[in-house]
Amino acid sequence: GESVGLHLPTLSVQEGDNSIINCAYSNSASDYFIWYKQESGKGPQFIIDIRSNMDKRQGQRVTVLLNKTVKHLSLQIAATQPGDSAVYFCAENSNYQLIWGAGTKLIIKP
Amino acid sequence: GAGVSQSPRYKVAKRGQDVALRCDPISGHVSLFWYQQALGQGPEFLTYFQNEAQLDKSGLPSDRFFAERPEGSVSTLKIQRTQQEDSAVYLCASSLATAGNTGELFFGEGSRLTVL
Repeated sequence: GESVGLHLPTLSVQEGDNSIINCAYSNSASDYFIWYKQESGKGPQFIIDIRSNMDKRQGQRVTVLLNKTVKHLSLQIAATQPGDSAVYFCAENSNYQLIWGAGTKLIIKP
Repeated sequence: GAGVSQSPRYKVAKRGQDVALRCDPISGHVSLFWYQQALGQGPEFLTYFQNEAQLDKSGLPSDRFFAERPEGSVSTLKIQRTQQEDSAVYLCASSLATAGNTGELFFGEGSRLTVL
């Protein structure tokens, strides 16, 4: 069935380093993916999205890469800051329903 | 307000009680979604409104769950005869886009329901 999952439940990085969060999806027909950031006690916040006709999209300090061949998505955060601490979800848009992975918790080491 | 507003933020209910959770979407947003998020999990789709029409309620776990958006703005998610497994954060999100058109979802901070 359709599913979106993440490889690692927790990622710990040094402040200032780059972070890479990975995500696998199973529905090869998916054409739109979104990354969300969720801080403790808050709702998910949109970070960046990408359509299946793109391989890469850049935002402010974030880059999303899409590899359709292996059905893999990644979020790269440059120069990770303490404020980046959160749980990161990838989501796959199926019609208008978002199908979410379980999330990766990003921990920033000082 | 500028964002999606949900109330109450926290609700404790005794098993068997009815609860109502409110969502005020961003003004002018056509689409409204309810999601359920269990601890440590990603949100799971419950239901979708386009204006006042409930176009999809396939994610509602049982007939104890009911949602409405009578005037195409504020929405209420009602849970009757709450059970312990209903304990979760209930997230509301709104979007300017209509069904089938991708668009950024704006989430509220959620209503955390604890059923004792």
